[in-house]
Amino acid sequence: QSVLTQPPSASGTPGQRVTISCSGSSSNIGSNYVSWYQQFPGTAPKLLIYRDDQRPSGVPDRFSGSKSGTSAFMAISGLRSEDEADYYCAVWDDSLSGRVFGGGTKVTAL
Amino acid sequence: QVQLQESGPGLVKPSETLSLTCTVSGGSVSSGPYYWSWIRQPPGKGLEYIGYIFHIGSTNYNPSLKSRVTISVDTTKNQFSLKLSSVTAADTAVYYCATYNRVNNAFDIWGRGTMVTVSS
Repeated sequence: QSVLTQPPSASGTPGQRVTISCSGSSSNIGSNYVSWYQQFPGTAPKLLIYRDDQRPSGVPDRFSGSKSGTSAFMAISGLRSEDEADYYCAVWDDSLSGRVFGGGTKVTAL
Repeated sequence: QVQLQESGPGLVKPSETLSLTCTVSGGSVSSGPYYWSWIRQPPGKGLEYIGYIFHIGSTNYNPSLKSRVTISVDTTKNQFSLKLSSVTAADTAVYYCATYNRVNNAFDIWGRGTMVTVSS
């Protein structure tokens, strides 16, 4: 059981906006930077968002990150079928003195 | 651009020690903004942070694995390694090496991963 809680699944029709949440606490999300990763089946995760809301070069601007209090969010604006993947949040936890990942959210385009 | 490649046995017996190596190309384990990291993913499950090492030798380990984990760096071979002792079936997973970038505060480069099965 992770200290970061993500919904197991999220879905939307192509073109819709889909938002994934990552809920934590004051010892992790509330005080440290959050990153997000995209993973397709059988492949390594890929960095999607760093420092809460920054996109690496090459990541489409339809992916965005935000944070409010002890929760972080990653949104896909204009969902495409190729965005179907698992998405994970990650952050440093001051209480555990280590990095933690959320349980992951599977995004489906209906 | 830094690239990473995991290597090691794909099958380990219960109670033995799992040993993996990550070879770094396009950069040096002796410098840069990176923490050299290991992350694993059991079949059908999520990602689990194992730990990392900074080139000066400081380490950080997942508290749940700390008693069994050692991460080290070999600067002569430009590699870093993972040892996990007293393995059980619960340690069966795809093991990834990755760089944690201290500037980006994120795991920004990943190896392709290597599957390790614990079985007699």
